[in-house]
Amino acid sequence: AQSVTQPDIHITVSEGASLELRCNYSYGATPYLFWYVQSPGQGLQLLLKYFSGDTLVQGIKGFEAEFKRSQSSFNLRKPSVHWSDAAEYFCAVGALAAGNKLTFGGGTRVLVKP
Amino acid sequence: GAVVSQHPSRVICKSGTSVKIECRSLDFQATTMFWYRQFPKQSLMLMATSNEGSKATYEQGVEKDKFLINHASLTLSTLTVTSAHPEDSSFYICSARRLAGGPNTGELFFGEGSRLTVL
Repeated sequence: AQSVTQPDIHITVSEGASLELRCNYSYGATPYLFWYVQSPGQGLQLLLKYFSGDTLVQGIKGFEAEFKRSQSSFNLRKPSVHWSDAAEYFCAVGALAAGNKLTFGGGTRVLVKP
Repeated sequence: GAVVSQHPSRVICKSGTSVKIECRSLDFQATTMFWYRQFPKQSLMLMATSNEGSKATYEQGVEKDKFLINHASLTLSTLTVTSAHPEDSSFYICSARRLAGGPNTGELFFGEGSRLTVL
């Protein structure tokens, strides 16, 4: 069975500082990995996804993620955080290229200090 | 970009009543839609997979008679919470998988969610 672990429940970062959110997955085959962002009371917005190819994936809003098969990780990074990046971030693994039946991690809430 | 709309965004109902939530793909066709449930400060849990023209597939532990899903067209899936109780209060999110063809083929698009409060 597939599973996703986001070890950090909360992260507080100063505006302008770098951010890294950890994601570890367990899946029997080649995973299809996603990062989503959710603002309070809102749905999910896709930040980026990894299917194959280059293990460093660029997404929207200046985010990037790196797939490391040896570590079963897909960590999300942003070099310089903006106040608007305060939100909940979810890592997810899917069974097919379309993200069929996504399994989500527990989420990481990011707080941005002025 | 592709848009998925949910209605209503918020609903409050009395215990014992039924509530219907709609999920529409506005500018693309979706043979498959997914319904998730999210409790406060928790992650999303897949409830069921909605397939156009056939019965929904429910995840283990989800009562199919409690959460009725109908996917009558390629752009609409509905979730009906029957005989709602306070413990059904939650945030329900749908996602739609775009059919083959065009940009973003196969990608999932999420609705904005529907918050159900059962009194």
